[in-house]
Amino acid sequence: TQLLEQSPQFLSIQEGENLTVYCNSSSVFSSLQWYRQEPGEGPVLLVTVVTGGEVKKLKRLTFQFGDARKDSSLHITAAQPGDTGLYLCAGAGGNYGQNFVFGPGTRLSVLP
Amino acid sequence: EAGVAQSPRYKIIEKRQSVAFWCNPISGHATLYWYQQILGQGPKLLIQFQNNGVVDDSQLPKDRFSAERLKGVDSTLKIQPAKLEDSAVYLCASNLWGVSPDTQYFGPGTRLTVL
Repeated sequence: TQLLEQSPQFLSIQEGENLTVYCNSSSVFSSLQWYRQEPGEGPVLLVTVVTGGEVKKLKRLTFQFGDARKDSSLHITAAQPGDTGLYLCAGAGGNYGQNFVFGPGTRLSVLP
Repeated sequence: EAGVAQSPRYKIIEKRQSVAFWCNPISGHATLYWYQQILGQGPKLLIQFQNNGVVDDSQLPKDRFSAERLKGVDSTLKIQPAKLEDSAVYLCASNLWGVSPDTQYFGPGTRLTVL
């Protein structure tokens, strides 16, 4: 069974600070997705990483896929209150990347 | 492009009652997923459809949960009878089969409270 772990589980920081959250597994994934979920809503896709070692940037967010495609990190620079939410990683497997397993999430709170 | 639609958004029932949730995926998306998300946890896959066939239902509590996607488009998830521990958000997602990298798109979810 493929499992994803995320750390930290909770994070509370002040506006303007930097942070990194991690997603780790002992399994190899064909791709990995990061989502942000706000209360009362479904997860919204932020990025998909596919290649080992890949780095993608989305404004103040930087995503990295581990060389072995087993782990990933999300770094936020100068966090803002609008970044508050539950950050979920999901690994895709199966012949066509159709099978997804989710981590438990990191709940981020950015205080003004 | 319209997103994944779900209804109802909220449902409150008493234990032992029945409830049904509806999902309409993004047009053309062959794969449809139902997830259960308990408060404070990540989504857990209940069932995955490819068109109107079941690909994976290994984590679906089949004694009380059932799901169908008869025409390969929209889908219904049913719980009968509900238990207190079924209180959760039920998420529907879809993706376009065979496209790499595969990415799933989520609906807003149905929040179920069982009293």
